[in-house]
Amino acid sequence: EAQVTQNPRYLITVTGKKLTVTCSQNMNHEYMSWYRQDPGLGLRQIYYSMNVEVTDKGDVPEGYKVSRKEKRNFPLILESPSPNQTSLYFCASSSRGETQYFGPGTRLLVL
Amino acid sequence: GQNIDQPTEMTATEGAIVQINCTYQTSGFNGLFWYQQHAGEAPTFLSYNVLDGLEEKGRFSSFLSRSKGYSYLLLKELQMKDSASYLCAVRDRRGRRSNYQLIWGAGTKLIIKP
Repeated sequence: EAQVTQNPRYLITVTGKKLTVTCSQNMNHEYMSWYRQDPGLGLRQIYYSMNVEVTDKGDVPEGYKVSRKEKRNFPLILESPSPNQTSLYFCASSSRGETQYFGPGTRLLVL
Repeated sequence: GQNIDQPTEMTATEGAIVQINCTYQTSGFNGLFWYQQHAGEAPTFLSYNVLDGLEEKGRFSSFLSRSKGYSYLLLKELQMKDSASYLCAVRDRRGRRSNYQLIWGAGTKLIIKP
């Protein structure tokens, strides 16, 4: 089954404790992206990747890191999480910027 | 600049028709998407318009006017399961690069009443 998976689905952590949210797709898509979604603000892009070893900042990259060492995986790293990073996070993939397929989301609470 | 506007919330009756509007301002327009998102779930693709006109897909239709920077999503024969948020997203040329970015509206929450 073609899908995008994210782990964990729910996470509660404390300020400053490094965390990684994994994202994996099995559709051989070149393009992958991370979004955060907050009430009233819609989806905002954090980082995106056009292909392996090619990543770039989206609209709200501060406080986040990503890597793209393999085509299928695109982890999101929060080196020192802060409460303002409490949000719902989505990973998405697509082929050459066409229709995006989203993962199920990761709900993060930073205390 | 880049901007997408859509109503925050709409209410409609089961069995009726509803039109959700989306207006946009972008510099390098290259297509418009509509996604459906149920509460707490991931967005799922509904439609894509790149040329002017109406695209029909079952109970859902999407219209685009590039000259007016305007699109709408039309939902017919509304069902309770259509209660969801509907997201408008525009594909826009990304700055100096040859690739594109998706700019998202904040979404329209549609409430269906019996």
